[in-house]
Amino acid sequence: GAVVSQHPSWVICKSGTSVKIECRSLDFQATTMFWYRQFPKQSLMLMATSNEGSKATYEQGVEKDKFLINHASLTLSTLTVTSAHPEDSSFYICSAPGPGDNQPQHFGDGTRLSIL
Amino acid sequence: GQNIDQPTEMTATEGAIVQINCTYQTSGFNGLFWYQQHAGEAPTFLSYNVLDGLEEKGRFSSFLSRSKGYSYLLLKELQMKDSASYLCAALDSNYQLIWGAGTKLIIKP
Repeated sequence: GAVVSQHPSWVICKSGTSVKIECRSLDFQATTMFWYRQFPKQSLMLMATSNEGSKATYEQGVEKDKFLINHASLTLSTLTVTSAHPEDSSFYICSAPGPGDNQPQHFGDGTRLSIL
Repeated sequence: GQNIDQPTEMTATEGAIVQINCTYQTSGFNGLFWYQQHAGEAPTFLSYNVLDGLEEKGRFSSFLSRSKGYSYLLLKELQMKDSASYLCAALDSNYQLIWGAGTKLIIKP
């Protein structure tokens, strides 16, 4: 079945560091991918929609310059958290809709980001 | 506005049956998903309903009533491993997923 791979799964770094998270669709092409953020005991919060070959669409309140998204190919989207601070510590998850119409979202395993 | 409502938390006994309800209000509708999420992990797909009625898949069943904006997830023969959060999500007219806050299900022996 459709698989989405997300890397890295865990990042611990110092404040001010930029962190890149990769999301790959392994056996299907994804013109659209989604990036979510999830705080403990809360639901998924959509941050942005990543569109292959064009600019990402950001949700209200999400800083474009803070969270850089690049969807350079049909199988790869990246989220870069620039100059990360402790308040950026969270669980980041990507997803891609499976091939075909009305297919479920296939999620990566998530990236736990801890900024010291 | 768009809205998904589901209970915050439910408790059930191992071996029993539990029904998790979800009501939705969206701009257009292209189906409803249920996902299971264990703590610290990404959600995993359980079911998708776009037509009215009941879809059964092993111990899990999902029901949809489009006219009522209502869905439920039914879990039978509960096992301890079913302790998780269950997320309801509706697909709106733009094919954007609108997520509920999730229902934390606690299974007791």
